[in-house]
Amino acid sequence: DTGVSQDPRHKITKRGQNVTFRCDPISEHNRLYWYRQTLGQGPEFLTYFQNEAQLEKSRLLSDRFSAERPKGSFSTLEIQRTEQGDSAMYLCASSGVGYTFGSGTRLTVV
Amino acid sequence: GIQVEQSPPDLILQEGANSTLRCNFSDSVNNLQWFHQNPWGQLINLFYIPSGTKQNGRLSATTVATERYSLLYISSSQTTDSGVYFCAVSGNNRLAFGKGNQVVVIP
Repeated sequence: DTGVSQDPRHKITKRGQNVTFRCDPISEHNRLYWYRQTLGQGPEFLTYFQNEAQLEKSRLLSDRFSAERPKGSFSTLEIQRTEQGDSAMYLCASSGVGYTFGSGTRLTVV
Repeated sequence: GIQVEQSPPDLILQEGANSTLRCNFSDSVNNLQWFHQNPWGQLINLFYIPSGTKQNGRLSATTVATERYSLLYISSSQTTDSGVYFCAVSGNNRLAFGKGNQVVVIP
């Protein structure tokens, strides 16, 4: 068990570009979650998967955001046409007994 | 959704002091966790504690589910205890976080 892995750790992109993040959950966990955290705030829920099915999406997840978990293993989160307001830490978690979080991807949009 | 309030928002401690962080939540829950967020942003799970009391070294936690609160105790604080502590709860399918307790331990 290597924990939850996220890649990349940091991403700097120009406004208007597309970015994609990857999350590898703990292998025996079938639930996977994406959260976003901005400075001084707690993480906010974006979406979650049970195996490959995306079961819930937050209103925070605008139509520029899309998440997939094609084979029920790793997941990707894509942001299209990035805006400066998308700058945040994007956290992935998987759950068994309790939630385990990855190290996050820190996105900076310039 | 479930509302989570943490207090105090900021705390400065002298090394060696004890402290208590509080988490109030607005509805019944089936999961409650305390996390410590390190300076690099990683959320480290401290306790999975939907009810009862647990201890791990200098840290302990108590959740009184019927009264909708949880407490995290830090004893003999060290500078490495500095950081943000988050309480997170879920009653359905996802965790809801409070705004955190920012703890600074000074030598």
